[in-house]
Amino acid sequence: NAGVMQNPRHLVRRRGQEARLRCSPMKGHSHVYWYRQLPEEGLKFMVYLQKENIIDESGMPKERFSAEFPKEGPSILRIQQVVRGDSAAYFCASSPARGSGNTIYFGEGSWLTVV
Amino acid sequence: GQNIDQPTEMTATEGAIVQINCTYQTSGFNGLFWYQQHAGEAPTFLSYNVLDGLEEKGRFSSFLSRSKGYSYLLLKELQMKDSASYLCAVPNQAGTALIFGKGTTLSVSS
Repeated sequence: NAGVMQNPRHLVRRRGQEARLRCSPMKGHSHVYWYRQLPEEGLKFMVYLQKENIIDESGMPKERFSAEFPKEGPSILRIQQVVRGDSAAYFCASSPARGSGNTIYFGEGSWLTVV
Repeated sequence: GQNIDQPTEMTATEGAIVQINCTYQTSGFNGLFWYQQHAGEAPTFLSYNVLDGLEEKGRFSSFLSRSKGYSYLLLKELQMKDSASYLCAVPNQAGTALIFGKGTTLSVSS
């Protein structure tokens, strides 16, 4: 009974490199959410996707960040030309359906460190 | 938009009862969630309230008052393992995301 799977769990990148974070939703879930958590701060919503569609990207930075959820394979959060301020924990969550009353279930997170 | 306020930190001793408050302002209410997050781990779902009143689930209970924009999480018979951050969250108006408060870090001592 696999939950939300994220990889890598820990990633170190030098400034200017690219970071790719992967998320496989819970079985039977087709809705994926990405959140960022900075030290001493709360979870900040970034983007909500369904298969092949970005539904809400209101929390995504305008530059360098992109997300996709292809028909086959995991959802990917891509950060280009990383900077030190991108160092954070990135959590993926999934739900079985869209809707305000639906619980979302989180993965273990990917910790990005930019050096 | 949504605005959520929680105390930053709380301390308590083993066996005690603690109440973690959350006040919220939202355009259109669609329920309130509580999550628990241990340091370095994933947030895990605790409770969901959409109607006024108290929902009890073992040692944890959650209360909601929609008219006051207020909720609390009540933890009874505290254990050391309850030391964690407790996150209050409400859906955004479009129902496309949960908006989280900054969380309350609870420290339980013996």
